[in-house]
Amino acid sequence: AQSVTQLGSHVSVSEGALVLLRCNYSSSVPPYLFWYVQYPNQGLQLLLKYTSAATLVKGINGFEAEFKKSETSFHLTKPSAHMSDAAEYFCAVSKGTYKYIFGTGTRLKVLA
Amino acid sequence: EAQVTQNPRYLITVTGKKLTVTCSQNMNHEYMSWYRQDPGLGLRQIYYSMNVEVTDKGDVPEGYKVSRKEKRNFPLILESPSPNQTSLYFCASSSITVQGLGSSPLHFGNGTRLTVT
Repeated sequence: AQSVTQLGSHVSVSEGALVLLRCNYSSSVPPYLFWYVQYPNQGLQLLLKYTSAATLVKGINGFEAEFKKSETSFHLTKPSAHMSDAAEYFCAVSKGTYKYIFGTGTRLKVLA
Repeated sequence: EAQVTQNPRYLITVTGKKLTVTCSQNMNHEYMSWYRQDPGLGLRQIYYSMNVEVTDKGDVPEGYKVSRKEKRNFPLILESPSPNQTSLYFCASSSITVQGLGSSPLHFGNGTRLTVT
């Protein structure tokens, strides 16, 4: 069965520092991978998606993620954190079936 | 504007009083799904629908019903709500492409926060 693991339910970074949010998946076949962001009192918005076209995927708001098959990872990064990046981030995986599997989320706090 | 609309945003009810949360999408998506979000558990799928009149159970379907009579609408029904159904609920939709469902991202509504006392 597929699963998604997000290491760290809470991550704090200083404004201007590197953001690294970790996501590992378990799958015997390269899946489709997604990162979503959830701002307070809102639904989830797509940040970026991996669909095998390129291993380094660029998303909105300066975020990017790299698909590493050997490590079964899809970590989310941003070179310089901004206060507006404070939110909850979810990694999700799908294998082209009806099912999307979500991680438990990482809440990002940006310190001034 | 392409969107998924859920109503109501907030709902407080009592145990046993039937309720319906509506969901509508204007993107002509085939796939629609309901999730509940609970702290530390992420999003768990309740029910999904691949098209009109086609619905199936997700991971946590107990206590919920759905229907898909029209492509755009996918209401979630709680026939007899209980306190353990207090949660944040999201409706989502997606298109089904030639690569199969899952190659397209989900589009989410803004959520319905339900409290059952």
